[in-house]
Amino acid sequence: GESVGLHLPTLSVQEGDNSIINCAYSNSASDYFIWYKQESGKGPQFIIDIRSNMDKRQGQRVTVLLNKTVKHLSLQIAATQPGDSAVYFCAENMVREGMRFGAGTRLTVKP
Amino acid sequence: GAGVSQSPSNKVTEKGKDVELRCDPISGHTALYWYRQRLGQGLEFLIYFQGNSAPDKSGLPSDRFSAERTGESVSTLTIQRTQQEDSAVYLCASSLVLGSEQYFGPGTRLTVT
Repeated sequence: GESVGLHLPTLSVQEGDNSIINCAYSNSASDYFIWYKQESGKGPQFIIDIRSNMDKRQGQRVTVLLNKTVKHLSLQIAATQPGDSAVYFCAENMVREGMRFGAGTRLTVKP
Repeated sequence: GAGVSQSPSNKVTEKGKDVELRCDPISGHTALYWYRQRLGQGLEFLIYFQGNSAPDKSGLPSDRFSAERTGESVSTLTIQRTQQEDSAVYLCASSLVLGSEQYFGPGTRLTVT
């Protein structure tokens, strides 16, 4: 069936390095994607979104890339900081069904 | 309020008891969503409300689950005859309109013993 999933469950990086978190989706009709950050004990927090008519979108220290050919989404975090340690979810906006989330990738930033 | 609030923050209940979870959305947001998050897993959509339209209940896992919303304000999620498998964090989110960016509350951690 259709699904949204993440390639890696955990990612560990050194402070100051760049982080790349990947996501695969299988619903070719999806036209809107969101990356969320969830810190321990808190609800998900919006980071950045992208529509399917775009390939790239940049925010503050974050960039989302969308490759519709291979149905792949990635989140790049520049100069990763300890405060970036969290679980990151990609989500596919189903509108009528809320959002479909993947299992999440836990990012750990080592000082 | 400034954000989505949920109560209680933690709830421990005995198997077979009913529980009621509350969500206060951001003022002015017409859409409200409920999700469930089991430990170490992603979010599972349960139900959404949009304005005064009938809610989409397609995600509710069983008939023990029900939800209500009064107008465009508070929503309650009720779980009857709780089971241990219901243990999870229940998250509420609201958005200005259906399909726009969702803002999440801190969640209610439900533990069924």
